[in-house]
Amino acid sequence: DTEVTQTPKHLVMGMTNKKSLKCEQHMGHRAMYWYKQKAKKPPELMFVYSYEKLSINESVPSRFSPECPNSSLLNLHLHALQPEDSALYLCASSQQRTSGRNEQFFGPGTRLTVL
Amino acid sequence: GESVGLHLPTLSVQEGDNSIINCAYSNSASDYFIWYKQESGKGPQFIIDIRSNMDKRQGQRVTVLLNKTVKHLSLQIAATQPGDSAVYFCAESFDDSWGKFQFGAGTQVVVTP
Repeated sequence: DTEVTQTPKHLVMGMTNKKSLKCEQHMGHRAMYWYKQKAKKPPELMFVYSYEKLSINESVPSRFSPECPNSSLLNLHLHALQPEDSALYLCASSQQRTSGRNEQFFGPGTRLTVL
Repeated sequence: GESVGLHLPTLSVQEGDNSIINCAYSNSASDYFIWYKQESGKGPQFIIDIRSNMDKRQGQRVTVLLNKTVKHLSLQIAATQPGDSAVYFCAESFDDSWGKFQFGAGTQVVVTP
């Protein structure tokens, strides 16, 4: 299984809502990532988890809260978002770099719209 | 070139011709590079990678060239097909255990019949 899955595919939420994005991989990868992608722009790294611990937070506002319950799952909890947070949210996973290949496998993304 | 506002650089290629997509990377310490293809409504898909100890790597219909002197990366696609129409991103990685990547601005490739 070389797939990263993300749910939901689409999400519309109000600025007072609380919602969560989910990501799952069964490739045995020990690094998982959240990216944000605006239209016509490259993905921007938000968070990196390695061995279920948060290792990188790219100065992301606290209204985005990541969680890694186990080595296969990654969540992104959303609260009090702003309309400018509307974007495609991508999850990715990879092996540890020292294994020789650390390409990141991306999921299809969740298209988020904040009203 | 770099994207300005909402406009991605666009490369129009006739079906069957070869495509060359260019990327200037930013960090001279970067030692691992990947080309990704992103089709509309999908996540980025790995195409080919190259480490800094190489200057050329070939895959199926694709070749990546790395010029560390001028910090330039290119992707060549042979015999371009309609299914190659997508946005192509280069990504560079620093000496980091978990592969923190910096993505380039992207190039839109449009294949015409």
